[in-house]
Amino acid sequence: EAQVTQNPRYLITVTGKKLTVTCSQNMNHEYMSWYRQDPGLGLRQIYYSMNVEVTDKGDVPEGYKVSRKEKRNFPLILESPSPNQTSLYFCASSLSFFRSTPDTQYFGPGTRLTVL
Amino acid sequence: GQNIDQPTEMTATEGAIVQINCTYQTSGFNGLFWYQQHAGEAPTFLSYNVLDGLEEKGRFSSFLSRSKGYSYLLLKELQMKDSASYLCAVRLQLPGNTPLVFGKGTRLSVIA
Repeated sequence: EAQVTQNPRYLITVTGKKLTVTCSQNMNHEYMSWYRQDPGLGLRQIYYSMNVEVTDKGDVPEGYKVSRKEKRNFPLILESPSPNQTSLYFCASSLSFFRSTPDTQYFGPGTRLTVL
Repeated sequence: GQNIDQPTEMTATEGAIVQINCTYQTSGFNGLFWYQQHAGEAPTFLSYNVLDGLEEKGRFSSFLSRSKGYSYLLLKELQMKDSASYLCAVRLQLPGNTPLVFGKGTRLSVIA
């Protein structure tokens, strides 16, 4: 089954304790991205990747890191989490961002992160 | 900066038609998406417009006017399961832009 998976789905942690949220897709998609969703603010892009070893900042990259060493995986790293990073995080992928066809993004199920 | 506006909330009656508007002011427009998101779940793709006009897909239609920076999503024969948030998202040309910018979403409540 074609899907985007994220782990963990729920995480409660404390300020400063490094964590990684994994994201994996099995559709051979080139484009992957991370979003956070907060009440009243909508979905905001954190980082994106056009292909392996190519990553770029989105609108809210501060406090986050990503890597794209292989096509299927795009982990999100919080080196020193803070309470303002408490949010719902979504990973998404699509075949290619540059196509003019409705190259829709497929979203993972989300990771609800609480930083105390 | 990029700006996308949608109404925050709407209420409509089961069986009726509802239109959700989206206006945008962006640089380097390269397509507009509509997504549906049920509470606590991931967004799912509904429609895509890159040229002016109406795209119809079953009970859902989406319209785009690039000159007006305007789109709407039309939902017909509303069902209770259509209660969800509807997200308008604009794809932007690269380089120099964030690839995809979302509006804050419109929460639709369908009542009996």
